[in-house]
Amino acid sequence: EIVMTQSPATLSVSPGERATLSCRASQSVSSNLAWYQQKPGQAPRLLIYGASTRATGIPARFSGSGSGTEFTLTISSLQSEDFAVYYCQQYNNWPLYTFGQGTKLEIK
Amino acid sequence: QVQLQQSGPGLVKPSQTLSLTCAISGDSVSSNSAAWNWIRQSPSRGLEWLGRTYYRSKWYNDYAVSVKSRITINPDTSKNQFSLQLNSVTPEDTAVYYCASQGCSGGSCSFGYWGQGTLVTVSS
Repeated sequence: EIVMTQSPATLSVSPGERATLSCRASQSVSSNLAWYQQKPGQAPRLLIYGASTRATGIPARFSGSGSGTEFTLTISSLQSEDFAVYYCQQYNNWPLYTFGQGTKLEIK
Repeated sequence: QVQLQQSGPGLVKPSQTLSLTCAISGDSVSSNSAAWNWIRQSPSRGLEWLGRTYYRSKWYNDYAVSVKSRITINPDTSKNQFSLQLNSVTPEDTAVYYCASQGCSGGSCSFGYWGQGTLVTVSS
C-alpha cells in the first residue's frame, strides 16, 4: 500500500495570503495524484487531478505541482471560502487507492 | 454533470449487514468509461476506499483488502444505481459512507463526483 503523508496537519494563513500544502508518497505515483477540498458536513470536492490539472469550475488561484513522490497544492490568494480541509490521493497503484490524512487550512 | 444520491439506514446493529444505495443521474452505471465506488471516512481511519464496480463488456469488481471478505458492490441497471453491502459489521465500521464516480476507462483516475454521504453508526 502506498502511504500518503500530508504536511502540515494544520496551516494558519490570513485571507489574501498564499497557502502552500505538501503531500508526499511512500513510493512514486508518477503524476497520478489528486487534491480534494472538504468543508464541514460536505463530501470532498475534486480540485486537481493529474497533479496539476484543475477540475471543471475550479478557480485559477488553485494550482498543483510535483511528480513522483513530492507534491504541492498552492492557493495563491486565500478567499474566505477556501478555509477547509485538503486531502491528496494517489491513483497510480490502482485499485488500491489511498488518501493522505488531510491538512486543515484555518484563518490566522 | 453526474449526480449521485445516496440512501440507506443510518443505524445498524453489530454483526448485521450495512446496506446503502447510490442512484446515478447524468451517466449510466453500465458506462464503459466510468467506475462506481464506495469510500468511507472516520476519525480513526480517515478516507478509506472500499471498492468499486464497473462495466467493460462484462461486470467487474475491485475491493480493498481490509474488507474483501465482507463486502459486495452490485450494479442495478434497471434503476441506474449501485449498492454496497458490508456484512458482520462492528463498531469500527461506524463512519460516513460516500459513493463516488471515476470517469475513465482504466483505473488510473480520480474521484470526480461524490454522493452527499451517509453517517452509519454501528450500535446495539
